[in-house]
Amino acid sequence: AQSVTQLGSHVSVSEGALVLLRCNYSSSVPPYLFWYVQYPNQGLQLLLKYTSAATLVKGINGFEAEFKKSETSFHLTKPSAHMSDAAEYFCAVNYNQGGKLIFGQGTELSVKP
Amino acid sequence: EAGVTQFPSHSVIEKGQTVTLRCDPISGHDNLYWYRRVMGKEIKFLLHFVKESKQDESGMPNNRFLAERTGGTYSTLKVQPAELEDSGVYFCASSPLGDDYEQYFGPGTRLTVT
Repeated sequence: AQSVTQLGSHVSVSEGALVLLRCNYSSSVPPYLFWYVQYPNQGLQLLLKYTSAATLVKGINGFEAEFKKSETSFHLTKPSAHMSDAAEYFCAVNYNQGGKLIFGQGTELSVKP
Repeated sequence: EAGVTQFPSHSVIEKGQTVTLRCDPISGHDNLYWYRRVMGKEIKFLLHFVKESKQDESGMPNNRFLAERTGGTYSTLKVQPAELEDSGVYFCASSPLGDDYEQYFGPGTRLTVT
């Protein structure tokens, strides 16, 4: 069955440090890939998406992710964490345009002053 | 432009009762999706409407769940009778046809069954 794995349910970084949230998918067919963020008491907001164009994707709020087919990965990074980045982050895939999203377990990011 | 809205934001019901959740998609979005997140688990797909038709209902857990989208606008998800394991956050999302990579999510309805 197709699945998405996010390594680490909780990640804590210091303000100004590198943010790295890991995502791997299980499929021989490259999917469409997404990162969503959920701030407290809000809905999921799209950070960025990969839809078979450039493998390095830039999103909102300074985040970016790189699609690596050989590693079946789509890790999310940000060079310098801000306090406002504290939220839960979800990696998701789908295999056909308009189809259902398959989510990872989510990673809660804490940012320490 | 208004986003996806869901009502209620919270619902607490007893086992055996009925609850109806509502989702209003972004105006003009023909795709409408329901997802659920049970505590400690990942967000899971329930079903997908295209306009008023069910495109994919492979994620519906059992026949206690009934989703409708009369007229192709808002959608309701009814749980009858509710069981303890139905507790979780129910998300609705929508997207337009033809440009439907991104799904726009609502804030969710937190359902607690006691």
